[in-house]
Amino acid sequence: DTGVSQNPRHKITKRGQNVTFRCDPISEHNRLYWYRQTLGQGPEFLTYFQNEAQLEKSRLLSDRFSAERPKGSFSTLEIQRTEQGDSAMYLCASRPTEAGTQYFGPGTRLTVL
Amino acid sequence: TQLLEQSPQFLSIQEGENLTVYCNSSSVFSSLQWYRQEPGEGPVLLVTVVTGGEVKKLKRLTFQFGDARKDSSLHITAAQTGDTGLYLCAGAKLSGGSNYKLTFGKGTLLTVNP
Repeated sequence: DTGVSQNPRHKITKRGQNVTFRCDPISEHNRLYWYRQTLGQGPEFLTYFQNEAQLEKSRLLSDRFSAERPKGSFSTLEIQRTEQGDSAMYLCASRPTEAGTQYFGPGTRLTVL
Repeated sequence: TQLLEQSPQFLSIQEGENLTVYCNSSSVFSSLQWYRQEPGEGPVLLVTVVTGGEVKKLKRLTFQFGDARKDSSLHITAAQTGDTGLYLCAGAKLSGGSNYKLTFGKGTLLTVNP
């Protein structure tokens, strides 16, 4: 399977714990995006990488959130001191060119108890 | 602020019926994409429309981009139960250099009953 992959698919954690999600984009896609989707809403942009550089962050990305793409391939999204309001589907997408199509992964469903 | 308004929010129809869902905005977009999303999965791209007035057909699905590139519609002919899902439209705008950022609507949840 050469699509975007995300791990884990589901994560249940207690409030206050840290969690980390991983995204493996399609090979040779140098642009990578993170989105958050809550129930009844469309995906909302969180952050964007071009290769290893994080070029844009949404105001939705509070100080408790950090994303990295150290070698310009896979990316991680960490949430520290999780809150119940962080419960959502976290989606990763990649694309090869400036205006190319974004391809989404299956998402990581986070539930904070 | 929701830049893209999708209507209706929910739609339940019988197999074989036709339907149209709408995506409207006051903003102009470089392109507009339609996705279908099933529960627990990521969105899957159906089509990208770029030119104002453009019409694209994908089997029983017809997509139209408004002349002013602010709105779009998706028409499904003879709906099947497999068409059930959340239909999302997303507008692309150039943001901060080379980033074409997508802004999504809330989606239309379509249920096709047998």
